[in-house]
Amino acid sequence: GENVEQHPSTLSVQEGDSAVIKCTYSDSASNYFPWYKQELGKRPQLIIDIRSNVGEKKDQRIAVTLNKTAKHFSLHITETQPEDSAVYFCAASIGNFNKFYFGSGTKLNVKP
Amino acid sequence: GAVVSQHPSWVICKSGTSVKIECRSLDFQATTMFWYRQFPKQSLMLMATSNEGSKATYEQGVEKDKFLINHASLTLSTLTVTSAHPEDSSFYICSASNPQGLTDTQYFGPGTRLTVL
Repeated sequence: GENVEQHPSTLSVQEGDSAVIKCTYSDSASNYFPWYKQELGKRPQLIIDIRSNVGEKKDQRIAVTLNKTAKHFSLHITETQPEDSAVYFCAASIGNFNKFYFGSGTKLNVKP
Repeated sequence: GAVVSQHPSWVICKSGTSVKIECRSLDFQATTMFWYRQFPKQSLMLMATSNEGSKATYEQGVEKDKFLINHASLTLSTLTVTSAHPEDSSFYICSASNPQGLTDTQYFGPGTRLTVL
């Protein structure tokens, strides 16, 4: 089955700096890659997603890049703010409306 | 749109009892729902895929007789933890995808914190 690895496990940045979280996947058939933000005790919330026919997607301060050849995708957050502090999970999925394989998570701490 | 609710939000039970957790899609029909388990500071572990009108598909290592899943309607899936033990204490989260939506994304419920004494 699919295996998703996520790095780093923790990331601490200064407010205003950029943060990058990287994920790799093993199954070349994976075609959908969402990123979720989870605050302590809360539900995961989708922040951005990308399909395999697109190399990059941006939404204000958040962007995701996908390299299908290398089988890795990354989350980029620019101009970080303290409210960006949370745990971020990447995931990969094969086909349509199928199960997600989640990465291990990255705890992002934005220091004011 | 695409709101998923979960009930209860937390439950404390005695060892040996059974606990039922409900997952509802409030504004869309979900033919497929997913049940996850999350331990503190860990990732979401998929337990099973719940299919409306048919048997759930369990992930390897998940006991189907212990974690009973019923997807009786297009808006409701239930997870029953039978004969619960302290090691079953965890955060259980459901999710659903919206086939009528524009993306494949899954929308998560708020989770249920189960504590087994």
